[in-house]
Amino acid sequence: AQKVTQAQTEISVVEKEDVTLDCVYETRDTTYYLFWYKQPPSGELVFLIRRNSFDEQNEISGRYSWNFQKSTSSFNFTITASQVVDSAVYFCALCDAGNMLTFGGGTRLMVKP
Amino acid sequence: GAVVSQHPSRVICKSGTSVKIECRSLDFQATTMFWYRQFPKKSLMLMATSNEGSKATYEQGVEKDKFLINHASLTLSTLTVTSAHPEDSSFYICSASPLGGKGSNEQFFGPGTRLTVL
Repeated sequence: AQKVTQAQTEISVVEKEDVTLDCVYETRDTTYYLFWYKQPPSGELVFLIRRNSFDEQNEISGRYSWNFQKSTSSFNFTITASQVVDSAVYFCALCDAGNMLTFGGGTRLMVKP
Repeated sequence: GAVVSQHPSRVICKSGTSVKIECRSLDFQATTMFWYRQFPKKSLMLMATSNEGSKATYEQGVEKDKFLINHASLTLSTLTVTSAHPEDSSFYICSASPLGGKGSNEQFFGPGTRLTVL
């Protein structure tokens, strides 16, 4: 069975600070996909990134970056120079070979002006 | 592309009534649709997986007679909460996997339906 752990339930930062959201996963599959989603107060899930298990290259997209480390089963997400609009709940998720998505518990990020 | 809609976005009903939530893939055909439930300040929990033309597969602990799922076509799945009670109040989110999506495990999410049972 797969499991996704987001140890940080809530993080509060001041605008312009960098913040890293941790994600650790467990799976027995060798092929899997990892995701990050943003859920603003409206509730709609916003897709941020998908990474397959064979691609350990880190990725940067604007102020967002992701660090995938297979050796530690982690897929951490960093927001650089955070902004108030980044305030949301962020979910890390794992999709196994059976196409089942398992979500982490979520991290609530509050960015204060 | 890959837009999923849900209707209604918000519903308030009296205890004992049944509520139907629709999930539509607007610009693609979906072999599989998923229904999730999210309680306040909690994560998404998979309720069931539905494939077009066949019975839904429910996760452990989810009452299939309580949450009726019908995947009538490749673009529509419905979730009916029968005889709703206040404890059924939650945020229900559907997702859809495109026909022919191989290995990428793509799921496109709807905007969610907030159900409040009085």
